[in-house]
Amino acid sequence: AQKVTQAQTEISVVEKEDVTLDCVYETRDTTYYLFWYKQPPSGELVFLIRRNSFDEQNEISGRYSWNFQKSTSSFNFTITASQVVDSAVYFCALSETGDSGYSTLTFGKGTMLLVSP
Amino acid sequence: IAGITQAPTSQILAAGRRMTLRCTQDMRHNAMYWYRQDLGLGLRLIHYSNTAGTTGKGEVPDGYSVSRANTDDFPLTLASAVPSQTSVYFCASSDSPGGFDTQYFGPGTRLTVL
Repeated sequence: AQKVTQAQTEISVVEKEDVTLDCVYETRDTTYYLFWYKQPPSGELVFLIRRNSFDEQNEISGRYSWNFQKSTSSFNFTITASQVVDSAVYFCALSETGDSGYSTLTFGKGTMLLVSP
Repeated sequence: IAGITQAPTSQILAAGRRMTLRCTQDMRHNAMYWYRQDLGLGLRLIHYSNTAGTTGKGEVPDGYSVSRANTDDFPLTLASAVPSQTSVYFCASSDSPGGFDTQYFGPGTRLTVL
């Protein structure tokens, strides 16, 4: 079973629209971390946010906000008033210890966001 | 501060050839990782190293080997490249071992095996 599901393969919006990228995760651990990374067309992976499982407080950073809900195992990412520069592939990732005894980062398959002028 | 550098930026390689992808970080991070990124599959962990002198296998280790002789360098070797190893390879590092700490990524190496 997929540990991190990003059901939206591709989203297209027009500039200034708000857009939410969904992330649903699966884990049996009580301690885990969730991450979002951005991969613009240039290809590098840019860290956006890290959130631990004990902190369900939503976070806002400029036009970015994150909604963490343990009850639904979701960690959604909203961009307010989107801009063309937001066009990128966005990855959600889960870090858990699991059965192996060491913690690893598992990525979702990514959501491509296209923002048109 | 460069962060993480990877070399080469891109490479076209004949099947059966040996290839080493280089990764160097200047953040004195303890842990380093190699991922491959394939269209529609996201990033998958190949190998990792929690500290200098130790390495471990990730999700897709077959056909790859790594070494960690010192803190800064974490080369990935393809002993005999096959076309299915065509991918973009990312090196990453984190201050603490394991996946709980934030991982920072290098710019990637695009490898094509013909």
